[in-house]
Amino acid sequence: EAQVTQNPRYLITVTGKKLTVTCSQNMNHEYMSWYRQDPGLGLRQIYYSMNVEVTDKGDVPEGYKVSRKEKRNFPLILESPSPNQTSLYFCASRTGTLNEQFFGPGTRLTVL
Amino acid sequence: KQEVTQIPAALSVPEGENLVLNCSFTDSAIYNLQWFRQDPGKGLTSLLLIQSSQREQTSGRLNASLDKSSGRSTLYIAASQPGDSATYLCCGESGSTLGRLYFGRGTQLTVWP
Repeated sequence: EAQVTQNPRYLITVTGKKLTVTCSQNMNHEYMSWYRQDPGLGLRQIYYSMNVEVTDKGDVPEGYKVSRKEKRNFPLILESPSPNQTSLYFCASRTGTLNEQFFGPGTRLTVL
Repeated sequence: KQEVTQIPAALSVPEGENLVLNCSFTDSAIYNLQWFRQDPGKGLTSLLLIQSSQREQTSGRLNASLDKSSGRSTLYIAASQPGDSATYLCCGESGSTLGRLYFGRGTQLTVWP
C-alpha cells in the first residue's frame, strides 16, 4: 500500500531533550516536506526537500533540522525542544512539482 | 510573504445545499493549487489538484477553479451531505520558489441532516 508513515504518532518529552520524528514514504517520491499545525495558525511549512541531499527552509525552520540522505526518508530533528514546539506535525511527499501531495497521519508532540 | 485567506472560516448548512468555499493569495503567482479535507483528529486527504497549466478540476460533486490573474480559488460542493462535514484547506505552491507551499487556515463545514 502506497503511504507516508510517521513515527512516533504521539510523543511527550521535556525541554532540551533531543528528539527525532521519522518520516518514510514507499512511493519513490522526490519531494518531501514537513509541516506543523497549530490552532488558529493553520499548517505552516517547516522544511522541504526537492530530492536527495537537497533541503530548503520553509516558513518556520527555527529550532528544527532535517536531512535527506536517501529518497524514502526525511527525518525531523529537534536538537533542543522547547514548549513552543508543542504542535501537530505532518510529513508529506509527492512526485516532482505537478502532482498531489500525500500526507502522513501526523505526530502529536508535547514539550513540557 | 505569501498570505492565504479562506472565507468563510466556518459554515453550517442543511443537507442538500450547494456550497462555495473561497481561497485567496496575496501573491497571485501560484504554480499549483490543491484542496484538502481534514476530519477532526485526522490527517489531510487530497480532494483536487489544479496544476500549473489548468484552470479547474472536477471530482464527483466537487469542482475547484483557479484564477491565476487574481490569485483566487473556489471550491464548489454540490448537493452537500452530512459526510461532507470537515475542515477544508487550500494549499498553493509559490510560482517563484517551487517547493514552497502555503496553506490557508481552513473553512470548517458542518452539514446537518
